[in-house]
Amino acid sequence: DAKTTQPPSMDCAEGRAANLPCNHSTISGNEYVYWYRQIHSQGPQYIIHGLKNNETNEMASLIITEDRKSSTLILPHATLRDTAVYYCIDPANAGGTSYGKLTFGQGTILTVHP
Amino acid sequence: EAGVAQSPRYKIIEKRQSVAFWCNPISGHATLYWYQQILGQGPKLLIQFQNNGVVDDSQLPKDRFSAERLKGVDSTLKIQPAKLEDSAVYLCASSLMGGGGSYSYNEQFFGPGTRLTVL
Repeated sequence: DAKTTQPPSMDCAEGRAANLPCNHSTISGNEYVYWYRQIHSQGPQYIIHGLKNNETNEMASLIITEDRKSSTLILPHATLRDTAVYYCIDPANAGGTSYGKLTFGQGTILTVHP
Repeated sequence: EAGVAQSPRYKIIEKRQSVAFWCNPISGHATLYWYQQILGQGPKLLIQFQNNGVVDDSQLPKDRFSAERLKGVDSTLKIQPAKLEDSAVYLCASSLMGGGGSYSYNEQFFGPGTRLTVL
C-alpha cells in the first residue's frame, strides 16, 4: 500500500502558486520522493523527484523538509492546463532494488480556476 | 521521440468474453509495465518486464490475466474470461531500465491507456 498521505483535493486561482503537500513519514534515508501528475484521460506524467535538497525544473519546484518526512510540490504560476491529479509516489518502491516499481495512492485533485 | 503506443483506446465486452491489449514502448526502453486504474483510484501495477523476462507479477490475477513480451519489445495483456470488476483503464509504461542495485531513478513514460468496459 502507498505510504504517502495527500489531501484529496485543492483549488488554485490561475496565475497563483499551487502548493501541494505530501506526508511520507516512513521514508528512509536513501529513498527519493517522486511526483507524477495525471491529466484527465491521459496516462501519468513525471514531474520531479528529490532526495534531500530542494529541486527545481521547468515544471515545478520540490521542497523537502529537513527530516524528509514531508514535501511540497510547487507550481509557481498555475494555469488551467495544470488541472490534474497529482501523485506523491510511495518512495519505498520507486527505485533501488525494487526495480522501479511505482505505488500510487489516491493523489490530490488540483483544480485551477480562472 | 515517439511515446508509448497502446491499442485499442476503448473496448466494450460482455462478461466472460476475452480481450487483449497491445503496447509498444519507447524504442530502447528495457522495462515495460502494465497498470490497472479503476475509476477514482491511482494506477496499480499488474506486471513488470525487464526485456522479455517477468520481474514482478505479484498483483496480476493469474487465473484470468496473462501478459507476454516475447521479443523484449512490444507486449500484450490478455483477460480471459473478463469479469465486471475488470472495468478499468489499462495503462502501459516503459522506462530505460528498472533500477535494481542502486537508488538511481529512472522515469516511467506512460501511454494513453485502454479503457475497458465489461457489461
